[in-house]
Amino acid sequence: GEDVEQSLFLSVREGDSSVINCTYTDSSSTYLYWYKQEPGAGLQLLTYIFSNMDMKQDQRLTVLLNKKDKHLSLRIADTQTGDSAIYFCAESIGAAGNKLTFGGGTRVLVKP
Amino acid sequence: SAVISQKPSRDICQRGTSLTIQCQVDSQVTMMFWYRQQPGQSLTLIATANQGSEATYESGFVIDKFPISRPNLTFSTLTVSNMSPEDSSIYLCSVGLDRGYEQYFGPGTRLTVT
Repeated sequence: GEDVEQSLFLSVREGDSSVINCTYTDSSSTYLYWYKQEPGAGLQLLTYIFSNMDMKQDQRLTVLLNKKDKHLSLRIADTQTGDSAIYFCAESIGAAGNKLTFGGGTRVLVKP
Repeated sequence: SAVISQKPSRDICQRGTSLTIQCQVDSQVTMMFWYRQQPGQSLTLIATANQGSEATYESGFVIDKFPISRPNLTFSTLTVSNMSPEDSSIYLCSVGLDRGYEQYFGPGTRLTVT
C-alpha cells in the first residue's frame, strides 16, 4: 500500500541550510513532489522529480532521491524567514497528473 | 501552470445542512481531484472528478455524503451533505496538467460546521 512519512518539525537558523526528509513505501511511485503551505494559504508546488532521477536542482532548492531506500529529501539553501511554512512531500503512481498521496507535513521554523 | 479558483473561500454552516463548493480552472484539464485537510492534518484524497461520468471515490468516502459534478473540463463541484462538526476542514481541488507532470491546487475552502 501507499504510505508517506515525514518528521514533524524542523528548526533552522536564518542563512543556514534546511533539509527536510521523506520516506515512502510504494516502489511503483513515478513522480515525487514537494509542496509548501504557509499559514492560512493553499498549497504551492515547489518542485517535483521523476523516479528515474537522482537529483534535481532549482535555484535554492535541491531534491535528492534514493530510490533503493525510498528516501526523498528537500534541501533549502540560505534559508530565509519567508521559508517558514509546512512542507509536504507527495507521491503519485502511474501516469503523470495522477492522484497524490501526501506525507503528514514538516513544520519548518526559521529563526532570525 | 494553471490558475484555479474556488468558491466560497470560507463558510460557517449549521449541522445538518449542505454546502456546494465550486472549482474553476483557467484551462481544460483531464484530471481533477478533491482533497480534504482536517485541522492540523495532511491532505486526504476524497475523489477523482471524471468528466462525463461518475466520480471515483477513495476508501472511506461515499457519493451520498460527497456528491461531485464535473460537467466540463474546466469546472467541478463538491457538495458536503448533511454536515456535522467532524466535516470542519479545508476542502481543496487540484488539477493534473495534461501536458506535464505538475499538479496544482486551488486556494481551498475553509468550512466550519457548528
